[in-house]
Amino acid sequence: AQSVTQLGSHVSVSEGALVLLRCNYSSSVPPYLFWYVQYPNQGLQLLLKYTTGATLVKGINGFEAEFKKSETSFHLTKPSAHMSDAAEYFCAVRNPKAAGNKLTFGGGTRVLVKP
Amino acid sequence: GAVVSQHPSWVICKSGTSVKIECRSLDFQATTMFWYRQFPKQSLMLMATSNEGSKATYEQGVEKDKFLINHASLTLSTLTVTSAHPEDSSFYICSAHQVAGNPSAYEQYFGPGTRLTVT
Repeated sequence: AQSVTQLGSHVSVSEGALVLLRCNYSSSVPPYLFWYVQYPNQGLQLLLKYTTGATLVKGINGFEAEFKKSETSFHLTKPSAHMSDAAEYFCAVRNPKAAGNKLTFGGGTRVLVKP
Repeated sequence: GAVVSQHPSWVICKSGTSVKIECRSLDFQATTMFWYRQFPKQSLMLMATSNEGSKATYEQGVEKDKFLINHASLTLSTLTVTSAHPEDSSFYICSAHQVAGNPSAYEQYFGPGTRLTVT
């Protein structure tokens, strides 16, 4: 079984400050990892994903994440927060060797951006 | 590309009635679609996996007779909440998995969600 833990259900940052959202996973095999963003009353939009290859992954809207196998982590960062980054962020994991292509989501982190 | 739509975006129904939610992949074919449920300020909970032309696979604890799923074509899956009750009120989100492509390029494309309120 796999699981995802997002540390901090709420994160508050000032506009222009670093955004850091933490994600740790548990998986029996090297997983595929994803970060999604959800705006109020909307579905999920993919920010970035890691499957294989380079461990530092760049996504949309200036976000990036680094896969660290030794730490079983996939933390999401953005150097400078913008007001439009206020949203809910979900980390997700998939076992590429399992049938069904199911995603397992973390509990989510709500980002508040202060002017 | 890779757009998934849901209809309706919101619905209010009376207790005891049934409600159908549609999930469509607009510009790609999806052999597999997923249905999630999301309570306020919580994460997504996978309800079932919908496979085109076959029966859906339900997650543990999800009542298959209450949440009927049909995946009649490669672009359409429906979720019917039967005999709805107030506790079924929630945000329902579908996603679709594209048929072709490199497995490492795998991605689920999410619909915008349907908010169901049962009175």
